[in-house]
Amino acid sequence: NAGVTQTPKFQVLKTGQSMTLQCAQDMNHNSMYWYRQDPGMGLRLIYYSASEGTTDKGEVPNGYNVSRLNKREFSLRLESAAPSQTSVYFCASSLRLAAGGNEQFFGPGTRLTVL
Amino acid sequence: DQQVKQNSPSLSVQEGRISILNCDYTNSMFDYFLWYKKYPAEGPTFLISISSIKDKNEDGRFTVFLNKSAKHLSLHIVPSQPGDSAVYFCAASQGVRYGGSQGNLIFGKGTKLSVKP
Repeated sequence: NAGVTQTPKFQVLKTGQSMTLQCAQDMNHNSMYWYRQDPGMGLRLIYYSASEGTTDKGEVPNGYNVSRLNKREFSLRLESAAPSQTSVYFCASSLRLAAGGNEQFFGPGTRLTVL
Repeated sequence: DQQVKQNSPSLSVQEGRISILNCDYTNSMFDYFLWYKKYPAEGPTFLISISSIKDKNEDGRFTVFLNKSAKHLSLHIVPSQPGDSAVYFCAASQGVRYGGSQGNLIFGKGTKLSVKP
C-alpha cells in the first residue's frame, strides 16, 4: 500500500517549457488535490477534484491545468513555466472533500525549479 | 490577508516537557481545524483535528484545544520526544453551508518544533 505517489521527485525547467506532474493514490479515495508550498509559506491549493470527472480551481490556479484521468490519478500541467512557479508541489487525496474534517493524505512532493 | 496565522516560526523544548503550538484564525465561518506534521523532504502527515462544535480533542500524547471566542487553537504534546521535531502546520476548512469551497484547506505558515534530548 503506497498511499500517494508523485513523479518526478525533482525537476529543473527553463522558462517557457512545459511539463506534467503525475500523482496517483491507491487508497480508493474520491477526492484529490494539488498544493504548492513556497519558502516560509503554508500550503496553497492550486486545483482540486471532488470526484472522478470533476475539477475545480483553488486559491492559486493561474498558470496551471489539471486532469483527473481516473479515480486513481490526478495530473498537474504547467503549459509555459515561469520562475514564479518555482516551488514544492504536493498532491493529496481524501476519502471525500476536506470540508467536514476529512483528513487529506499527502504525497512526498515534487521540487520544481524554473530558471 | 492571512486567515490562519502561526505567529511563532520556531519553538524549542526539552525532551519530556510539554510543547504548546499556537494558531490564530480570522474567519469565524471555519468549521473544522486540523494539525499536520511535516518532516524535511516529506509530505505533511495528518496529526489530529477538531470540529468547531468541540473545545478539546485528545489522541494519545496530542491534545488540541479550541477557543472560538478568541479564534485561537493550540496543540499540546505531552511528553515531547525528539522524534516530534518537525514543522507543524495548522489548517482550517470552511464548510459549504457557510459559503466555503469544499476543497479548500487554509494553512498557516508553520512552526518548527525542536525537541532537545
